[in-house]
Amino acid sequence: EDKVVQSPLSLVVHEGDTVTLNCSYEVTNFRSLLWYKQEKKAPTFLFMLTSSGIEKKSGRLSSILDKKELFSILNITATQTGDSAIYLCAVELNSGYALNFGKGTSLLVTP
Amino acid sequence: DADVTQTPRNRITKTGKRIMLECSQTKGHDRMYWYRQDPGLGLRLIYYSFDVKDINKGEISDGYSVSRQAQAKFSLSLESAIPNQTALYFCATARGASDTQYFGPGTRLTVL
Repeated sequence: EDKVVQSPLSLVVHEGDTVTLNCSYEVTNFRSLLWYKQEKKAPTFLFMLTSSGIEKKSGRLSSILDKKELFSILNITATQTGDSAIYLCAVELNSGYALNFGKGTSLLVTP
Repeated sequence: DADVTQTPRNRITKTGKRIMLECSQTKGHDRMYWYRQDPGLGLRLIYYSFDVKDINKGEISDGYSVSRQAQAKFSLSLESAIPNQTALYFCATARGASDTQYFGPGTRLTVL
Protein backbone atom coordinates (compact mmCIF):
# COMPACT_ATOMS: atom_id res chain seq x y z
CA GLU A 1 0.00 0.00 0.00
CA ASP A 2 1.30 3.44 -0.93
CA LYS A 3 2.10 5.65 2.05
CA VAL A 4 2.99 9.29 2.54
CA VAL A 5 3.98 10.23 6.09
CA GLN A 6 4.56 13.75 7.30
CA SER A 7 6.27 14.80 10.50
CA PRO A 8 5.82 16.43 12.81
CA LEU A 9 2.02 16.56 12.77
CA SER A 10 2.09 19.93 14.49
CA LEU A 11 4.66 22.49 15.40
CA VAL A 12 4.71 25.79 17.28
CA VAL A 13 7.61 28.19 16.74
CA HIS A 14 8.41 31.85 17.36
CA GLU A 15 8.69 34.41 14.62
CA GLY A 16 12.17 34.40 13.18
CA ASP A 17 12.79 30.70 13.79
CA THR A 18 13.72 28.31 11.02
CA VAL A 19 11.59 25.21 10.61
CA THR A 20 12.02 21.95 8.72
CA LEU A 21 9.04 19.87 7.76
CA ASN A 22 9.49 16.27 6.71
CA CYS A 23 7.73 14.04 4.23
CA SER A 24 8.66 10.41 3.69
CA TYR A 25 7.02 8.09 1.23
CA GLU A 26 6.73 4.45 0.31
CA VAL A 27 5.12 4.17 -3.08
CA THR A 28 5.49 2.18 -6.23
CA ASN A 29 6.22 4.02 -9.44
CA PHE A 30 7.04 7.43 -8.01
CA ARG A 31 6.68 10.33 -10.43
CA SER A 32 6.81 13.53 -8.40
CA LEU A 33 6.37 15.01 -4.93
CA LEU A 34 4.44 18.19 -4.31
CA TRP A 35 4.13 20.57 -1.40
CA TYR A 36 1.01 22.63 -0.75
CA LYS A 37 0.19 25.29 1.83
CA GLN A 38 -3.32 25.33 3.25
CA GLU A 39 -4.36 28.41 5.19
CA LYS A 40 -8.05 28.96 5.66
CA LYS A 41 -9.45 26.82 2.92
CA ALA A 42 -8.01 25.67 -0.39
CA PRO A 43 -4.48 24.23 -0.63
CA THR A 44 -2.19 26.35 -2.74
CA PHE A 45 0.74 24.95 -4.66
CA LEU A 46 4.28 25.55 -3.41
CA PHE A 47 6.71 23.17 -5.12
CA MET A 48 6.90 20.16 -7.38
CA LEU A 49 10.01 17.98 -7.07
CA THR A 50 10.96 15.27 -9.49
CA SER A 51 14.74 14.99 -9.27
CA SER A 52 16.95 14.21 -6.29
CA GLY A 53 19.23 16.84 -4.86
CA ILE A 54 17.90 19.83 -6.75
CA GLU A 55 16.68 22.48 -4.36
CA LYS A 56 13.63 24.50 -5.26
CA LYS A 57 13.41 27.93 -3.68
CA SER A 58 10.75 30.57 -3.37
CA GLY A 59 11.62 33.42 -1.07
CA ARG A 60 12.09 32.05 2.43
CA LEU A 61 10.80 28.60 1.46
CA SER A 62 12.90 25.86 -0.03
CA SER A 63 12.49 22.17 -0.63
CA ILE A 64 14.60 19.23 -1.69
CA LEU A 65 13.94 15.62 -2.59
CA ASP A 66 15.99 12.52 -1.84
CA LYS A 67 14.77 9.70 -4.07
CA LYS A 68 17.23 7.21 -2.62
CA GLU A 69 16.09 7.68 0.97
CA LEU A 70 12.50 8.44 -0.13
CA PHE A 71 11.90 11.72 1.60
CA SER A 72 11.59 15.42 1.10
CA ILE A 73 12.01 18.39 3.40
CA LEU A 74 10.42 21.79 3.31
CA ASN A 75 12.42 24.55 4.99
CA ILE A 76 11.08 27.89 6.05
CA THR A 77 13.61 30.44 7.26
CA ALA A 78 12.89 33.58 9.30
CA THR A 79 9.32 32.45 9.89
CA GLN A 80 6.51 34.99 10.03
CA THR A 81 3.02 34.72 11.49
CA GLY A 82 1.71 34.55 7.95
CA ASP A 83 3.47 31.22 7.54
CA SER A 84 1.00 29.67 9.98
CA ALA A 85 -0.85 27.04 7.98
CA ILE A 86 -1.13 23.35 7.31
CA TYR A 87 1.58 22.14 4.96
CA LEU A 88 0.61 19.19 2.82
CA CYS A 89 2.92 16.81 1.05
CA ALA A 90 1.59 14.73 -1.84
CA VAL A 91 3.12 12.12 -4.10
CA GLU A 92 2.13 11.51 -7.69
CA LEU A 93 2.60 8.06 -9.14
CA ASN A 94 3.50 7.18 -12.70
CA SER A 95 -0.08 6.19 -13.27
CA GLY A 96 -0.64 9.92 -13.01
CA TYR A 97 -4.20 9.54 -11.88
CA ALA A 98 -4.17 11.50 -8.64
CA LEU A 99 -2.15 12.59 -5.66
CA ASN A 100 -1.56 10.63 -2.46
CA PHE A 101 -1.57 13.12 0.36
CA GLY A 102 0.05 12.93 3.75
CA LYS A 103 -1.92 14.05 6.79
CA GLY A 104 -0.22 17.42 6.86
CA THR A 105 1.89 19.38 9.33
CA SER A 106 0.10 22.14 11.21
CA LEU A 107 2.52 25.03 11.76
CA LEU A 108 1.78 27.87 14.14
CA VAL A 109 4.15 30.83 14.21
CA THR A 110 3.70 32.98 17.30
CA PRO A 111 4.71 36.65 17.51
CA ASP B 1 -12.75 35.67 -10.82
CA ALA B 2 -11.73 32.38 -9.32
CA ASP B 3 -10.62 29.71 -11.76
CA VAL B 4 -12.17 26.86 -9.76
CA THR B 5 -15.46 27.50 -8.00
CA GLN B 6 -17.53 25.30 -5.75
CA THR B 7 -21.12 25.63 -4.70
CA PRO B 8 -22.42 25.68 -2.09
CA ARG B 9 -19.62 26.85 0.20
CA ASN B 10 -21.40 25.64 3.30
CA ARG B 11 -24.26 23.21 3.70
CA ILE B 12 -26.02 21.67 6.64
CA THR B 13 -28.33 18.78 5.91
CA LYS B 14 -30.02 15.86 7.62
CA THR B 15 -29.32 12.16 7.48
CA GLY B 16 -30.91 10.51 4.47
CA LYS B 17 -31.10 13.63 2.30
CA ARG B 18 -29.67 13.75 -1.21
CA ILE B 19 -27.01 16.40 -1.65
CA MET B 20 -25.18 17.64 -4.72
CA LEU B 21 -21.95 19.59 -4.60
CA GLU B 22 -20.94 21.38 -7.77
CA CYS B 23 -17.59 22.33 -9.19
CA SER B 24 -16.90 24.56 -12.18
CA GLN B 25 -13.59 25.59 -13.71
CA THR B 26 -12.52 28.13 -16.28
CA LYS B 27 -8.97 26.80 -16.63
CA GLY B 28 -9.76 24.56 -19.58
CA HIS B 29 -8.33 21.56 -17.76
CA ASP B 30 -9.35 18.04 -18.72
CA ARG B 31 -8.72 16.44 -15.33
CA MET B 32 -11.01 17.04 -12.38
CA TYR B 33 -10.99 15.51 -8.92
CA TRP B 34 -13.08 15.37 -5.76
CA TYR B 35 -11.38 15.04 -2.37
CA ARG B 36 -12.62 15.12 1.17
CA GLN B 37 -10.62 16.40 4.09
CA ASP B 38 -11.14 15.30 7.67
CA PRO B 39 -9.16 16.58 10.65
CA GLY B 40 -6.02 14.52 11.09
CA LEU B 41 -6.59 12.48 7.92
CA GLY B 42 -5.37 14.74 5.17
CA LEU B 43 -7.07 14.78 1.76
CA ARG B 44 -8.53 11.57 0.42
CA LEU B 45 -9.59 11.03 -3.17
CA ILE B 46 -13.26 10.25 -3.81
CA TYR B 47 -13.56 10.30 -7.63
CA TYR B 48 -11.60 11.59 -10.55
CA SER B 49 -12.25 12.23 -14.22
CA PHE B 50 -9.76 12.61 -17.05
CA ASP B 51 -12.35 13.78 -19.53
CA VAL B 52 -16.09 13.90 -19.97
CA LYS B 53 -16.38 10.21 -20.75
CA ASP B 54 -13.87 9.00 -18.20
CA ILE B 55 -14.93 8.63 -14.56
CA ASN B 56 -12.96 6.66 -12.00
CA LYS B 57 -13.36 5.71 -8.38
CA GLY B 58 -10.83 6.92 -5.89
CA GLU B 59 -9.84 5.68 -2.48
CA ILE B 60 -13.18 6.32 -0.74
CA SER B 61 -15.98 6.31 -3.33
CA ASP B 62 -18.59 4.34 -1.36
CA GLY B 63 -21.66 6.47 -0.68
CA TYR B 64 -20.79 8.96 -3.40
CA SER B 65 -21.46 9.35 -7.11
CA VAL B 66 -20.29 11.88 -9.67
CA SER B 67 -21.31 13.38 -12.96
CA ARG B 68 -19.07 15.12 -15.50
CA GLN B 69 -21.59 17.21 -17.35
CA ALA B 70 -19.01 19.06 -19.44
CA GLN B 71 -15.29 19.65 -19.46
CA ALA B 72 -15.81 22.51 -17.06
CA LYS B 73 -18.26 20.90 -14.62
CA PHE B 74 -17.90 18.00 -12.22
CA SER B 75 -20.58 17.31 -9.62
CA LEU B 76 -20.43 15.13 -6.53
CA SER B 77 -23.60 13.60 -5.12
CA LEU B 78 -24.37 12.01 -1.80
CA GLU B 79 -27.43 9.91 -2.51
CA SER B 80 -28.36 9.45 1.13
CA ALA B 81 -26.18 11.53 3.39
CA ILE B 82 -24.92 10.10 6.68
CA PRO B 83 -23.18 11.89 9.57
CA ASN B 84 -19.74 10.45 8.86
CA GLN B 85 -19.82 12.26 5.52
CA THR B 86 -19.46 15.49 7.44
CA ALA B 87 -16.23 16.93 6.06
CA LEU B 88 -14.62 19.61 3.95
CA TYR B 89 -14.91 18.74 0.26
CA PHE B 90 -12.49 20.01 -2.36
CA CYS B 91 -12.65 19.96 -6.09
CA ALA B 92 -9.37 20.18 -8.01
CA THR B 93 -8.36 20.42 -11.65
CA ALA B 94 -5.21 19.68 -13.61
CA ARG B 95 -4.14 19.94 -17.20
CA GLY B 96 -2.57 16.51 -17.26
CA ALA B 97 -0.21 14.12 -15.54
CA SER B 98 2.56 15.84 -13.60
CA ASP B 99 0.67 19.09 -13.77
CA THR B 100 -0.09 21.02 -10.62
CA GLN B 101 -3.55 20.45 -9.22
CA TYR B 102 -5.52 23.63 -8.57
CA PHE B 103 -8.03 23.49 -5.75
CA GLY B 104 -11.39 25.13 -5.36
CA PRO B 105 -12.29 26.97 -2.15
CA GLY B 106 -13.98 23.96 -0.60
CA THR B 107 -17.47 23.09 0.59
CA ARG B 108 -18.03 22.50 4.27
CA LEU B 109 -20.75 19.88 4.59
CA THR B 110 -22.39 18.98 7.88
CA VAL B 111 -24.75 16.02 8.06
CA LEU B 112 -26.88 15.95 11.20
